[in-house]
Amino acid sequence: SFVVTQPPSVSVAPGETARITCRGDTIERRGAHWYQQKPGQAPVLVMYYDSDRPSGIPERFSGHNSGNTATLTISRVEAGDEADYHCQLWDISGYHRVFGGGTKLTVL
Amino acid sequence: EVQLVQSGAEVKKPGESLKISCTGSGYKFSTYWIGWVRQMPGKGLEWMGLIYAGDSDTIYSPSFRGQVSISVDTSINTAFLQLSGLAISDTAIYYCARPLCRDGCPFDYWGQGTLVTVSS
Repeated sequence: SFVVTQPPSVSVAPGETARITCRGDTIERRGAHWYQQKPGQAPVLVMYYDSDRPSGIPERFSGHNSGNTATLTISRVEAGDEADYHCQLWDISGYHRVFGGGTKLTVL
Repeated sequence: EVQLVQSGAEVKKPGESLKISCTGSGYKFSTYWIGWVRQMPGKGLEWMGLIYAGDSDTIYSPSFRGQVSISVDTSINTAFLQLSGLAISDTAIYYCARPLCRDGCPFDYWGQGTLVTVSS
């Protein structure tokens, strides 16, 4: 089965750049989507099809997908960005959606 | 405004059954899919399955096929997730979410989640 791997945690200081990765076989061809989830809240879509940003999501959020790694980049990180970030991919062989395990972003 | 509103928290005993609802508003319900996602305590998201509201076409994740049942009632713009033979390990938050299409699309709107606690 298709396995997607995210680092459990990433820590950055305010104003720095956070990079959250999502790794899997041939991930470049699968179109990565990213969700932000704050404690006690439902997930919110922050990036789709690798690098498209939904309306209302700050330009500080960007995305890239190459080879076996999709990356969500948050520039000029703010305290309000502290959350869990989940990637979602499409398993072409199994014909279903797969989520990564989620990454907790801590703003120091 | 698109909204997905789920039924309230539930406390069940092992072996019991449960049906969670998800009511959509602010869009043409019958022309979209609705998906279900599980989040166990302190864990990541798990996709469970999808249903197309227009014709009840249903797709299940291999991990949940045979374990859950997804249905829809378009007369009340509501999708359902049925869990039978509940176990302690079914304790989780269950979310409904609207994907932009059937295959591989992101979920652009989410319900608020329904906390299910299974305890003896």
